[in-house]
Amino acid sequence: QSALTQPASVSGSPGQSITISCSGTISDVGSYNLVSWYQQHPGKAPKVMIYEVSKRPSGVSNRFSGSKSGNTASLTISGLQAEDEADYYCCSYASSSTIIFGGGTRLTVL
Amino acid sequence: EVQLVESGGGLVQPGGSLRLSCAASGFIFRNYNMNWVRQAPGKGLEWVSHISSSSSTIYYADSVRGRFTISRDNAKNSLYLQMNSLRDEDTAVYYCARVDWASLVFDVWGQGTMLTVSS
Repeated sequence: QSALTQPASVSGSPGQSITISCSGTISDVGSYNLVSWYQQHPGKAPKVMIYEVSKRPSGVSNRFSGSKSGNTASLTISGLQAEDEADYYCCSYASSSTIIFGGGTRLTVL
Repeated sequence: EVQLVESGGGLVQPGGSLRLSCAASGFIFRNYNMNWVRQAPGKGLEWVSHISSSSSTIYYADSVRGRFTISRDNAKNSLYLQMNSLRDEDTAVYYCARVDWASLVFDVWGQGTMLTVSS
């Protein structure tokens, strides 16, 4: 089981929008609408930001949105804020009742 | 307050064994599926294992299958991970997490416990 592919880093200025991609295969992202995204600040536990591709948990800002096309999922953060600077991980259900995470993307707010 | 607290991490020699524990509070533990997720130093998240609320369904990542055993005691509101035949590459922070398996949402995480496998 190889990790889902994410860019190692992305950056943006406050107020801008950024998109983080998460590439998988037909065996995971492409076959299931069970993609979630997690935000992790240094030394902290991850926090779910998006689930089932595009749903936002209660309490998560509507500046966070998710989508999927084929084998690739995406997380978009609009109106970037300083507190958005963190690592972001995508996660997908895969065949054989397993879960795989992406390698993670470091978001820098310039 | 909904809370998960891991314990049991430490330094173990390659080939050794260790058991991690996760104490749950603030929610009805027996109603929820639970998982272990780990993170090697400076690396990304890696799913380790899943156990259903009644322990009837258990899954493992290929990297730990046959060496790790997940279990739970609903009477004690506790989740466990028995780790045998430990390898250097098992070195990581181990998180327990509450999961909605149908939606694939890890909605509550512990603070993690560090396992170091080294001679």
